[in-house]
Amino acid sequence: DAGVIQSPRHEVTEMGQEVTLRCKPISGHNSLFWYRQTMMRGLELLIYFNNNVPIDDSGMPEDRFSAKMPNASFSTLKIQPSEPRDSAVYFCASSIGTGGGNTIYFGEGSWLTVV
Amino acid sequence: EDQVTQSPEALRLQEGESSSLNCSYTVSGLRGLFWYRQDPGKGPEFLFTLYSAGEEKEKERLKATLTKKESFLHITAPKPEDSATYLCAVSSNSGYALNFGKGTSLLVTP
Repeated sequence: DAGVIQSPRHEVTEMGQEVTLRCKPISGHNSLFWYRQTMMRGLELLIYFNNNVPIDDSGMPEDRFSAKMPNASFSTLKIQPSEPRDSAVYFCASSIGTGGGNTIYFGEGSWLTVV
Repeated sequence: EDQVTQSPEALRLQEGESSSLNCSYTVSGLRGLFWYRQDPGKGPEFLFTLYSAGEEKEKERLKATLTKKESFLHITAPKPEDSATYLCAVSSNSGYALNFGKGTSLLVTP
């Protein structure tokens, strides 16, 4: 079975530009997570969706970040405008159920560099 | 607030030299403790879930154990291909997602 699919794998953009990261969760999974990974802070949860509805977005750092899940098989994370401090690896992950105790499966990540 | 602390930050072993990685946690009601392996340039790969103190799970050269305050990932006779970053995470009654430690970077040399 296909795992979590993310695109693009690598993105280099200039400060101020809009960045859109895409994710296709594992079929049948109804929970979707966006995480960000940096050397300093490790893996941090940005937002959690359950059945396509955002449940917890307390980890979204600023209004420049937004996420959508229009259907069960697609989600986007958008940064507008981007800043150099947004440079990180962004992971999408999915699980069955309402999270909490269920195994979360990660994609390969989107490596973002903002110059 | 849930806290997860992993030690050491980095570990270098000779091939065949067994050791253990530590994950200390503080949570309000543990729902599960998870171990992941992350290779450079890849996403975290699931290894184990432990749900209650005293539980143990094994996979090849890896064995995970759990107490009420910490978990250990024991690596027996490691090989170079075991080199990776090992991440510990907890799920608790206070949230929906996994709260991760910063990981232990393991290097196994021939």
